[in-house]
Amino acid sequence: QQQVKQSPQSLIVQKGGISIINCAYENTAFDYFPWYQQFPGKGPALLIAIRPDVSEKKEGRFTISFNKSAKQFSLHIMDSQPGDSATYFCAPYGNNRLAFGKGNQVVVIP
Amino acid sequence: GAGVSQSPSNKVTEKGKDVELRCDPISGHTALYWYRQSLGQGLEFLIYFQGNSAPDKSGLPSDRFSAERTGGSVSTLTIQRTQQEDSAVYLCASSFSGHSSYEQYFGPGTRLTVT
Repeated sequence: QQQVKQSPQSLIVQKGGISIINCAYENTAFDYFPWYQQFPGKGPALLIAIRPDVSEKKEGRFTISFNKSAKQFSLHIMDSQPGDSATYFCAPYGNNRLAFGKGNQVVVIP
Repeated sequence: GAGVSQSPSNKVTEKGKDVELRCDPISGHTALYWYRQSLGQGLEFLIYFQGNSAPDKSGLPSDRFSAERTGGSVSTLTIQRTQQEDSAVYLCASSFSGHSSYEQYFGPGTRLTVT
């Protein structure tokens, strides 16, 4: 049973473009909705997170949009840079754990 | 300050042998987690420790897996009689407890290969 589904699986974006990746979840008991960023050979690192009572949160070039009724949230990366090339995981938090999706691989080409 | 450290970084073992993986969390973090990441997959929750409370072992895939946390700090994940399907990267994370527990700090992982 997969609680969290991400799309698209991979994304290629030109430098300066917008990357949009999506996450759909099933469990309504999640408390927080983070996105994690992972580079090869490293552990994931928290990028940005949103509370369930907020519809949008922006931090620099990164924005989360949250749709509670649809049980979906997305990550927008504005002005994408080659250094943003990484795997992005949505990982809703609840019941003392992060529930990771399978990840979206984003490649930003110069 | 120092982040989460894990050792060894790589471990190759023969099928049927036991292995121990170590995690040193960030000082002051009361919560500690183990996850497993198979090739090209997301992270799978294994176990959660919070202070001196009994651990949440609900994610352990079989009774060959066990973990302990000594003195509320260092943790060891033990896999007995390893199988080829145990090959994965094992990641440890730590966090403060309470409302900020969604912010977990991950170590670099231990890559386990069972031959």
